[in-house]
Amino acid sequence: TQLLEQSPQFLSIQEGENLTVYCNSSSVFSSLQWYRQEPGEGPVLLVTVVTGGEVKKLKRLTFQFGDARKDSSLHITAAQPGDTGLYLCAGGPSGAGSYQLTFGKGTKLSVIP
Amino acid sequence: ETGVTQSPTHLIKTRGQQVTLRCSSQSGHNTVSWYQQALGQGPQFIFQYYREEENGRGNFPPRFSGLQFPNYSSELNVNALELDDSALYLCASSTTGSEQYFGPGTRLTVT
Repeated sequence: TQLLEQSPQFLSIQEGENLTVYCNSSSVFSSLQWYRQEPGEGPVLLVTVVTGGEVKKLKRLTFQFGDARKDSSLHITAAQPGDTGLYLCAGGPSGAGSYQLTFGKGTKLSVIP
Repeated sequence: ETGVTQSPTHLIKTRGQQVTLRCSSQSGHNTVSWYQQALGQGPQFIFQYYREEENGRGNFPPRFSGLQFPNYSSELNVNALELDDSALYLCASSTTGSEQYFGPGTRLTVT
């Protein structure tokens, strides 16, 4: 069974601060997605990383996929209240079969104005 | 381009009853996946449908079943509802092997 551990579970910071959240596994994933979810809504896809060592930037958000494709990080620069939400990482399967996603439990981020 | 839609938005059922949830996939997408998200947890994979056939299943009992129609829309059926079935049910659509895009979910409460 593939498991994804996210840390920290909760994070409360002041507007303008930087932060990093982590997504770790003992399993290799073919790809890894990051989603943000607002309360009562579905997850919204932020980025997909597929190559070990890959770094992608989305405005103030920087995503990195580990060299061994077992872990990933999300770094937010100068956080804003609009960044508040649940950040979920999800891994794609490493072998053949259905393209199910394995999700972590998420990091709940609160950015205080 | 129309995104993924789900109905109903909210639903309250009694233990032992049956429920059907519906999902319309994003235009051009032929694969639908269903996930269950309990409060404070990440989504858990229930099953996936591709071209009207089940294409993988997570660790859920047989009372969770599904259908996919020729227009790629889908239904999730849950029989003999239990209190622990209370959750947000999410539908995600994709093309084969691509990124999955989620609908807003159906909040099911079992009393």
